[in-house]
Amino acid sequence: DQQVKQNSPSLSVQEGRISILNCDYTNSMFDYFLWYKKYPAEGPTFLISISSIKDKNEDGRFTVFLNKSAKHLSLHIVPSQPGDSAVYFCAASAATASKLTFGTGTRLQVTL
Amino acid sequence: AAGVIQSPRHLIKEKRETATLKCYPIPRHDTVYWYQQGPGQDPQFLISFYEKMQSDKGSIPDRFSAQQFSDYHSELNMSSLELGDSALYFCASSLEGGGLRYEQFFGPGTRLTVL
Repeated sequence: DQQVKQNSPSLSVQEGRISILNCDYTNSMFDYFLWYKKYPAEGPTFLISISSIKDKNEDGRFTVFLNKSAKHLSLHIVPSQPGDSAVYFCAASAATASKLTFGTGTRLQVTL
Repeated sequence: AAGVIQSPRHLIKEKRETATLKCYPIPRHDTVYWYQQGPGQDPQFLISFYEKMQSDKGSIPDRFSAQQFSDYHSELNMSSLELGDSALYFCASSLEGGGLRYEQFFGPGTRLTVL
């Protein structure tokens, strides 16, 4: 069963606008969440993470929001740039095990 | 900055053959993870090692085995290969000591094709 879900397989955003990628999880043991960006034929590249003790973490153009009660997190990219076009994976881990459980990914296309 | 190194980048094998994938973690990282990503799927955790000891095991077939060596590099050994083993295999490393949580950094992957 898919414990981490990204319900939007794809998203198209204009350059300069905000991109919002969403992720839902079902396992209440997850307490650490990460976003990775992936280009074809490359490994996932770490973007940003958030611990369950926080509800927001910001790094440059990237902000991750966590709503624990809703078991939902989102990644905001502002402003979006053409180089942001890639597949974005949400991932989660639990304190009892460091392995990552990935979502199914969202393909972001930033258009000119 | 040094990244995770995986070799080979591409590997083509016949059914029932064996394959060995290698991973060299980022210097000073003490934990290595292996993930398998099938076509159109998300990466699935296989196995991990912390300080050369197996720390966790996921959906890894009995035909696969892995180990971490004294220099912290890791090898994933796959025997009796099946067509369904064709996938991207990623290695990731992180620094886990002290009970803190750190992000995993991924290598470029090895694309295994079984014919």
